[in-house]
Amino acid sequence: QLQLQESGPGLVKPSETLSLTCTVSGGSISSSSYYWGWIRQPPGKGLEWIGSIYYSGSTYYNPSLKSRVTISVDTSKNQFSLKLSSVTAADTAVYYCVRRPEWFDPWGQGTLVTVSS
Amino acid sequence: QSVLTQPPSVSGAPGQRVTISCTGSSSNIGAGYDVHWYQQLPGTAPKLLIYGNSNRPSGVPDRFSGSKSGTSASLAITGLQAEDEADYYCQSYDSSSYVFGTGTKVTVL
Repeated sequence: QLQLQESGPGLVKPSETLSLTCTVSGGSISSSSYYWGWIRQPPGKGLEWIGSIYYSGSTYYNPSLKSRVTISVDTSKNQFSLKLSSVTAADTAVYYCVRRPEWFDPWGQGTLVTVSS
Repeated sequence: QSVLTQPPSVSGAPGQRVTISCTGSSSNIGAGYDVHWYQQLPGTAPKLLIYGNSNRPSGVPDRFSGSKSGTSASLAITGLQAEDEADYYCQSYDSSSYVFGTGTKVTVL
């Protein structure tokens, strides 16, 4: 059974870079059928797609976040990562990693990242 | 600001049927992009409920059904149960971005 697990700091200072890693188990990130990506959910609010990556390194980002987002993949470790630069309090959210054909399934359990000094 | 609009809340008694609408436009649902639905139980990650407008993943009860017409889609829950109390989100594609609905809280009375 495919499982995804997010990891990274739970607290980031304003203007710094948020960095998270998703470890995939129970399957290969190099599968040709899927993209891998990140979605976030501010406390008490809805879902926002951040971006996706293919195992070859091709990336697709939400236009509203594109200038600040970098998603990368490490096939040797079966991991992919998110970097979000110049964070503000508005970036405080639960960050989920996901697998995507055209829908998102499965989801990681999510990790809360708080932006605060 | 989401481009897919859902009612903030719907409610029903156990055993009743409830529906959740997802209203889009000609640039997303109306353009032919599929709609998918997710269930988010309190304090947990969203879970895929319906994919490709009307398909249920393995393990999802047939009480849940989806449909799409024009620029809108709907999720129906028949035989409402206490464990269906959750937030529900629709999802589609629009302008080079995957987009979610505003979310609907289902309350079982």
